[in-house]
Amino acid sequence: QSVLTQPPSASGTPGQRVTISCSGSSSNIGSNYVYWYQQLPITAPKLLIDSNNLRPSGVPDRFSGSKSGTSASLAITGLRSEDEADYYCAAWDDSLSGLVFGGGTKLTVL
Amino acid sequence: QVQLVQSGAEVKKPGASVKVSCKASGYTFTSYDINWVRQVTGQGLEWMGWMNPNSGNTGYAQKFQGRVTMTRNTSISTAYMELSSLRSEDTAVFYCARPNKGGNGMDVWGQGTTVTVSS
Repeated sequence: QSVLTQPPSASGTPGQRVTISCSGSSSNIGSNYVYWYQQLPITAPKLLIDSNNLRPSGVPDRFSGSKSGTSASLAITGLRSEDEADYYCAAWDDSLSGLVFGGGTKLTVL
Repeated sequence: QVQLVQSGAEVKKPGASVKVSCKASGYTFTSYDINWVRQVTGQGLEWMGWMNPNSGNTGYAQKFQGRVTMTRNTSISTAYMELSSLRSEDTAVFYCARPNKGGNGMDVWGQGTTVTVSS
């Protein structure tokens, strides 16, 4: 059972907009930055969104992050086949004094 | 370029220990923390802890406290993660990752090391 809650799956067709939610609590998302990672099959995770809504260099502007209260969202616009991957949210948890991840969302591009 | 290169796959028996290395290059090793993340096959990411290569200070996830030790050798820019009392449930890929300055966003990752625990 992950501390951060994500839907296990999401899907969309090419060109569509998809959002993935991440729900936490006051000790993690409510008081700290949220990070999003993309993991393609059999590869190391890649930082997709830094500090709630910042895109690292090289990440397309089709990806965006937002946060409100104890929840966060990742939005992907103009969905492409290469976006098919697992997506994880993460945040520092003050009560646990550690980084916590969501369980991951498998995105399928139909 | 900035990269983290991990040691190769390991096969261990239950009860044994494993030590995984993570060699940093392309940046000043002592200027950035190193985190370790575990991923059991088919499951999600699990943070194990962090180490400051400059001071050697560490912080471990509660789940792994007492079983994990993170160390470093600054002369060869290498971090280590040792996990003891291995059980079959520890069969996983272990990643080292470097958080960027001032935050927890891990923007440089090692390629992963597969550890198989089997009798």
